[in-house]
Order: sequence, then C-alpha cells, then structure tokens
Amino acid sequence: EIVMTQSPATLSVSPGERATLSCRASQSVSSNLTWYQQKPGQAPRLLIYGASTRATGIPARFSGSGSGTEFTLTISSLQSEDFAVYYCQQYNNWPPLTFGGGTKVEIK
Amino acid sequence: EVQLLESGGGLVQPGGSLRLSCAASGFTFSNYAMSWVRQAPGKGLEWVSAISGSGGSTYYADSVKGRFTISRDNSKNTLYLQMNSLRAEDTAVYYCAKGGITIFGIISNNWFDPWGQGTLVTVSS
Repeated sequence: EIVMTQSPATLSVSPGERATLSCRASQSVSSNLTWYQQKPGQAPRLLIYGASTRATGIPARFSGSGSGTEFTLTISSLQSEDFAVYYCQQYNNWPPLTFGGGTKVEIK
Repeated sequence: EVQLLESGGGLVQPGGSLRLSCAASGFTFSNYAMSWVRQAPGKGLEWVSAISGSGGSTYYADSVKGRFTISRDNSKNTLYLQMNSLRAEDTAVYYCAKGGITIFGIISNNWFDPWGQGTLVTVSS
C-alpha cells in the first residue's frame, strides 16, 4: 500500500499571502496524483489531477507541481473562500486508492 | 451537469446491515468506474470500494473486505453499497464519486470527480 503523508497538518496564512502545501508518497506514483479541497459540511472538490493540471473551473491561483514521491500544491494569493482542508490522493498503484491525512489552511 | 445523489444512510446497531444507493445523472454511467469513499467524524478521507464501468471488476479496502459488497445497475444509473456486519468504526459519511473511464475493463485515471453530497451511517447500540 502506498502511504501518502501531507505536511504541515495546519497552515496559518493571512489573506493575500501564498500557501505551500506538501504531499509525499512512500514510493513513486509518477504524476498520478490529485488534490482536493473540502470545506466544512461539504463534499470534497477536485482541484488538480495529473499532479499539475487544474480541473475545470479551478482558478489559476491554484497550481500543482512535482512527480515521483514529492508534490506541492501552491495557492498564490489566498482568498477568503480558500480556507479549507486540502487532501492529496494517488491513483498510480491501487487498490487501495490512498489519501493523505490532509492539511488545514486557516486564517492567521 | 453531472450529479450524484446518495441515499440509504441511517442509524444501525453493531452487526447490522445497511444498503446505500447513489443515483447518477449527466454522464454515460456505464463508461465510468465508480467508488465509495468515507469520512469518519472529524477525520480524513478513506477509499472504501470501486467498481468498473461494466460491473465486472470490484475492488475493496482491507478494512471492509468480506463485509461490504459494491454493485451497480447500469440500466438504472445507480451504484450500491451493501454493508453487512457493521462495526462502530464504520460510522462515517459515505460519499459516492465518479471515477476513471473504463475501456476494455481497464480503469484509467481513477480520481474522483465529482462527489455526491454524502450520506451519514451511524453504527451504535
């Protein structure tokens, strides 16, 4: 099973600042990685697939990078609606499909 | 617009059974794998099970293998999850999610988009 580890668990950022979230895989997942955003009481929403491709309707301030075992989600200038929990997920080697534990982005 | 609508959640005693349903619309249902993903209260996301577009291949997390059964009725555009021998640790919101395209039985790009709104399953006496 591929274990996904996200850091930090919580990130405190001021509106307008940049946020950088990390995701590490226990073995290579190539570029087969996605990022999701989840707000309280809502279902997760796909942000990024293929490690770096934004899903339909996702603003350009969200960008993904990385391959192999190290990945990054960057939010270039945080808006109020971006404060949420973010999860990475690998789909390279499954079952099982595996998620990271999540990073909560909170207002500083 | 792709829509997924889960139903069937509720309160059940330990050892009991429950069947979840997920009605899909807005896409060619039989072309896509579907998954169930759950989230325990205050916790992260856990993939539970997946099924290929035809229904011919099914996959399970070790935590539910032998207790849960995923199935689909492509004539009704509906996904199911039969949950037996339920335990307290199965308490969670269960989401259905559209997965990767299935071609000749091979599931490609199995990420989740979109997700349903979720249905809460509570296992307690």
